[in-house]
Amino acid sequence: ETGVTQTPRHLVMGMTNKKSLKCEQHLGHNAMYWYKQSAKKPLELMFVYNFKEQTENNSVPSRFSPECPNSSHLFLHLHTLQPEDSALYLCASSQDIQGQPQHFGDGTRLSIL
Amino acid sequence: DAKTTQPTSMDCAEGRAANLPCNHSTISGNEYVYWYRQIHSQGPQYIIHGLKNNETNEMASLIITEDRKSSTLILPHATLRDTAVYYCIVRVGSGNQFYFGTGTSLTVIP
Repeated sequence: ETGVTQTPRHLVMGMTNKKSLKCEQHLGHNAMYWYKQSAKKPLELMFVYNFKEQTENNSVPSRFSPECPNSSHLFLHLHTLQPEDSALYLCASSQDIQGQPQHFGDGTRLSIL
Repeated sequence: DAKTTQPTSMDCAEGRAANLPCNHSTISGNEYVYWYRQIHSQGPQYIIHGLKNNETNEMASLIITEDRKSSTLILPHATLRDTAVYYCIVRVGSGNQFYFGTGTSLTVIP
């Protein structure tokens, strides 16, 4: 139990569907992150939020839309995805963005048909 | 340029110490080195981090060279459950961005 919970654990969706991934952290952290892990590739940082404000967007396509309503919750809204978007999506949190370690959830395994 | 360099894979006998090396020759003077591991189908698990001095916790020890260009993660008594991919990480850019690289796949052999 890492204190970071992601739902759902698995998701299969068509290219025209709209779905959302949810992340919740119970660690009292102020920063939250979305990462993408594709097969045989390093983890790629997608978005960073600090005190609910987005501080980083690493050139992520607009079909991925993050939302951070408060410091404990992070969403990733998905629409019109492509087959190459199939991957493990990981959420993480940290106390701040000054170098404190990040703590990860177990991810959502996303498959695009 | 790779931020960290690790061997692709390593084996270790159960009960023996596992020593996982990492080169980070371009690390800045005030940046930490972090170690994580990832077991199949799970998210990365934080192990330890350090700046200059050697560090130890209940999971592992971290040895950082004096010039800070390399480090070694030590699992003192490896078990089968330590089989995982181990990542040596430094921060890049702003916003606490971690560079994960491809890691070392450690297999603990009975």
